[in-house]
Amino acid sequence: DQQVKQNSPSLSVQEGRISILNCDYTNSMFDYFLWYKKYPAEGPTFLISISSIKDKNEDGRFTVFLNKSAKHLSLHIVPSQPGDSAVYFCAASGPGGSEKLVFGKGTKLTVNP
Amino acid sequence: EAGVAQSPRYKIIEKRQSVAFWCNPISGHATLYWYQQILGQGPKLLIQFQNNGVVDDSQLPKDRFSAERLKGVDSTLKIQPAKLEDSAVYLCASSSWMTQYFGPGTRLLVL
Repeated sequence: DQQVKQNSPSLSVQEGRISILNCDYTNSMFDYFLWYKKYPAEGPTFLISISSIKDKNEDGRFTVFLNKSAKHLSLHIVPSQPGDSAVYFCAASGPGGSEKLVFGKGTKLTVNP
Repeated sequence: EAGVAQSPRYKIIEKRQSVAFWCNPISGHATLYWYQQILGQGPKLLIQFQNNGVVDDSQLPKDRFSAERLKGVDSTLKIQPAKLEDSAVYLCASSSWMTQYFGPGTRLLVL
């Protein structure tokens, strides 16, 4: 039972354009969401997070949007850079402050120069 | 600030052998996690420690996997005996509030 789904295994965009990575979840009790970035042979690196009491969180070129009614979140990267090429994982935790993370399968982003 | 340290980085063993992985979390982080990441999948939680106590080990295959965190700092994860399907990257993470920080992982290949 996949509680966190990233339905696009891969995404390719041109440098300078917007990258949009999507994530859907099934458990309405999740109340905290995170995005991690992973380069080959390295562990996942925390990128940005959002609490369920918000619908948007922004950090530089990275913005996460949360639509609770649709159980959907997305990560926007603007402008995309070749160094952003990596696998991006969506993760969810909760309820009630539980720190256990449930991960999606990841989306491989390629930013072409 | 030093990150999460793991060793070894790579390990190749034959099935039915045993193997152990070591993790040193970020200083001051009370919560430590071990994840298994199979190729093409997201990380899956194996066990969560709060200080030296187990919080969640519901997905740990206890017939062959064991983990300990005796002094509430470093942790070891052991597999005995290993099976072919244990080939994966084993990730250790520690957390401050709701954000988990991962180590580089140990890539295990079971032949």
